[in-house]
Amino acid sequence: SQKIEQNSEALNIQEGKTATLTCNYTNYSPAYLQWYRQDPGRGPVFLLLIRENEKEKRKERLKVTFDTTLKQSLFHITASQPADSATYLCALGNYGQNFVFGPGTRLSVLP
Amino acid sequence: DAGITQSPRHKVTETGTPVTLRCHQTENHRYMYWYRQDPGHGLRLIHYSYGVKDTDKGEVSDGYSVSRSKTEDFLLTLESATSSQTSVYFCAISDRRRMNTGELFFGEGSRLTVL
Repeated sequence: SQKIEQNSEALNIQEGKTATLTCNYTNYSPAYLQWYRQDPGRGPVFLLLIRENEKEKRKERLKVTFDTTLKQSLFHITASQPADSATYLCALGNYGQNFVFGPGTRLSVLP
Repeated sequence: DAGITQSPRHKVTETGTPVTLRCHQTENHRYMYWYRQDPGHGLRLIHYSYGVKDTDKGEVSDGYSVSRSKTEDFLLTLESATSSQTSVYFCAISDRRRMNTGELFFGEGSRLTVL
């Protein structure tokens, strides 16, 4: 069955550094990959979508890459700030199918 | 913010009792979803709807039923709650015609505790 892993449960980095979160998957060939942010006690909020034919997508301080050969997506937050502290979820989808979510990585940006 | 309201936001109930969670949207989106979120598992799809009276099962549908009699309302029912159904439940909506992003809009969640 398909499996989605996100590097670690928690990641701590220093303010101003680049945070890199990983989403790996097996037994799946997604056409789309999304990233969401979730704050404690809140619902997830959509950040970015990248398609299988796109290698990289940027939005302000966010950058997402999608490597279908490695079956991996990397999510980067540059010049990280304490306000970026949250749980980040990746979700994989295919044409006509529902998205499947990874377990999430809790990012803490330390001042 | 997308107009999604979940009720109740918190509920404590006893094993064996029926529970209904309600999701109400004001966006007129066609697709509605119920997820549960548990530590270590992420979001798992319970049921979804692709139109009024059109529903289908998700990954973890056992013990749950849904109904959608109006575009704006999607109900999740636990006929006889069990402790394993203690979780945070999220409703989400999407308009798949917006395939430029395919994004899901989530409600604030309903925390259910089954004693």
